[in-house]
Amino acid sequence: GAGVSQTPSNKVTEKGKYVELRCDPISGHTALYWYRQSLGQGPEFLIYFQGTGAADDSGLPNDRFFAVRPEGSVSTLKIQRTERGDSAVYLCASSPIAPRTSGKYNEQFFGPGTRLTVL
Amino acid sequence: GENVEQHPSTLSVQEGDSAVIKCTYSDSASNYFPWYKQELGKRPQLIIDIRSNVGEKKDQRIAVTLNKTAKHFSLHITETQPEDSAVYFCAASILGYSTLTFGKGTMLLVSP
Repeated sequence: GAGVSQTPSNKVTEKGKYVELRCDPISGHTALYWYRQSLGQGPEFLIYFQGTGAADDSGLPNDRFFAVRPEGSVSTLKIQRTERGDSAVYLCASSPIAPRTSGKYNEQFFGPGTRLTVL
Repeated sequence: GENVEQHPSTLSVQEGDSAVIKCTYSDSASNYFPWYKQELGKRPQLIIDIRSNVGEKKDQRIAVTLNKTAKHFSLHITETQPEDSAVYFCAASILGYSTLTFGKGTMLLVSP
């Protein structure tokens, strides 16, 4: 079956612009995560959705970053007034069971990422 | 919050040798430790994980060990092959919670 997909694969924008990054999780996965991976670093947690609601947004760096998942499937990460320091690969992952309800941890399946470059 | 340290940052071995990557974590509440492999330009993929109720887990050429007292865990790859070349990330989490905290990664290079 299809894995997690992300669009676009690459996004180049100018400082100060607004960008949207899309994530299509594996069908039926209730949990969805956004991570940011800077060059030479491990993925850094941004936000986690359980269904439609953001269960944990403690990783969002500031209020320029926002994410939605209105129907509990596709999610969009939105970045306002982009800065050069926002340049990174933005990874999305999904897992089949929401950890908080199951008490278990299910494997997170990652998408290929969106490489964001802010000039 | 949790902090995961990973060493070495790069590791070069000859084909057939063993490779060991080590990680330490800071939060004694962490009880789930996955390892991800990321090939150049590709997505991270889970290769093995361990929960704190066991000390070791093996899957063919890959094994992971966990020392809860010392708060460190290691990835062992035996009989390395060129296709093992990639960046490997360790991570720590608490079962039932969402956040995976990753190490900075180890670039493994296996020379034929």
